Amino acid sequence: KNQVEQSPQSLIILEGKNCTLQCNYTVSPFSNLRWYKQDTGRGPVSLTIMTFSENTKSNGRYTATLDADTKQSSLHITASQLSDSASYICVVSPNSGGYQKVTFGTGTKLQVIP
Amino acid sequence: DTAVSQTPKYLVTQMGNDKSIKCEQNLGHDTMYWYKQDSKKFLKIMFSYNNKELIINETVPNRFSPKSPDKAHLNLHINSLELGDSAVYFCASSPPGQRANYGYTFGSGTRLTVV
Repeated sequence: KNQVEQSPQSLIILEGKNCTLQCNYTVSPFSNLRWYKQDTGRGPVSLTIMTFSENTKSNGRYTATLDADTKQSSLHITASQLSDSASYICVVSPNSGGYQKVTFGTGTKLQVIP
Repeated sequence: DTAVSQTPKYLVTQMGNDKSIKCEQNLGHDTMYWYKQDSKKFLKIMFSYNNKELIINETVPNRFSPKSPDKAHLNLHINSLELGDSAVYFCASSPPGQRANYGYTFGSGTRLTVV
């Protein structure tokens, strides 16, 4: 069964600090991995998308890394801001052809405090 | 301009009632989805339609019936609502074929509360 596990489940950091969120997956074969940010009361919004051949992808203060050998990804947030408070969801798509059923992680809830 | 819009945003209803949630996308995407997000924030796919054709139908009670009048709309009708149906329901869309790998666009969600 394909799984996507994220850690930590929740995290509280001070404004201005950096943090790293982890995603481990068992989806195989693998097509791409996405990180989404979900603000409270809103739908998920895509931050980064990486194929199996990419090691890193940045979007402003967000940098995602991918190790396809160990099936691990991380999302690094630099110089956190209060607006970074949200849930961050890792989503993995299998390379099975046809219409793909993606697997969602359970998310990491990040709270940035002043 | 809202790319994927859902209505209503909030829905409070009594057990046993029938209700519908509407979803529309103006992105020209071919594929639309319904997801359920439970209290633990886990997103689980319910249905997927491609060009009005059902392509994914997960293990969902048959009280849930999706309807796609055209590829820009995917509505969700729920019969005989139960307490366990309380959740946030998200509509999403994606471009066709392999481009679907490169991201879904989600609506802002409909918070359904069954009392």
